[in-house]
Amino acid sequence: GAVVSQHPSRVICKSGTSVKIECRSLDFQATTMFWYRQFPKQSLMLMATSNEGSKATYEQGVEKDKFLINHASLTLSTLTVTSAHPEDSSFYICSARVPVAGVGTDTQYFGPGTRLTVL
Amino acid sequence: AQSVSQHNHHVILSEAASLELGCNYSYGGTVNLFWYVQYPGQHLQLLLKYFSGDPLVKGIKGFEAEFIKSKFSFNLRKPSVQWSDTAEYFCAVIRGSQGNLIFGKGTKLSVKP
Repeated sequence: GAVVSQHPSRVICKSGTSVKIECRSLDFQATTMFWYRQFPKQSLMLMATSNEGSKATYEQGVEKDKFLINHASLTLSTLTVTSAHPEDSSFYICSARVPVAGVGTDTQYFGPGTRLTVL
Repeated sequence: AQSVSQHNHHVILSEAASLELGCNYSYGGTVNLFWYVQYPGQHLQLLLKYFSGDPLVKGIKGFEAEFIKSKFSFNLRKPSVQWSDTAEYFCAVIRGSQGNLIFGKGTKLSVKP
């Protein structure tokens, strides 16, 4: 199957600093990538949809100025958590959508996630 | 609003027992349904998916799921579980034209050797 990588896998930062997380599709081009947040013992919550060459679409309640998303190429999307605070500590997961030729819908492949801890 | 419900939070089975994990969704239109698995310390992996056609879908590692439209359900089954099936299982549905996945809260499966 398609492979999606994330970097870094873990990051610890001080409150007030910014953290950038990269999501790459390794063996395919992804026009659309998704960013999720997963709290302990809870499901994945979609934060935003990242489209190559255009602005990201944020879900209701997600601060676009705090969670900056850049989808600069067909294989890379970045999520920058600006001025991070302890409540931003979470597990951030990206996925990339693989179009399925001839089928009306498609499949997402997930990255391994990034554990962010803000002190 | 569209939602996905997984009724079991934690299921504990012995090896060779049969498994059925429930998943219900709330959406009256055309749906595309998925089961993902997350093994300890690993990322989400696709187990199986339903787009259309035969409502009984076969996935990897001996898993299958049945789409029952009248019940708005997509339950995951395996006839005989193994210790290596210990993981968290997520049901998900695609909404709209952009392919945004909506996930259930997940079911943790623990298989005793």
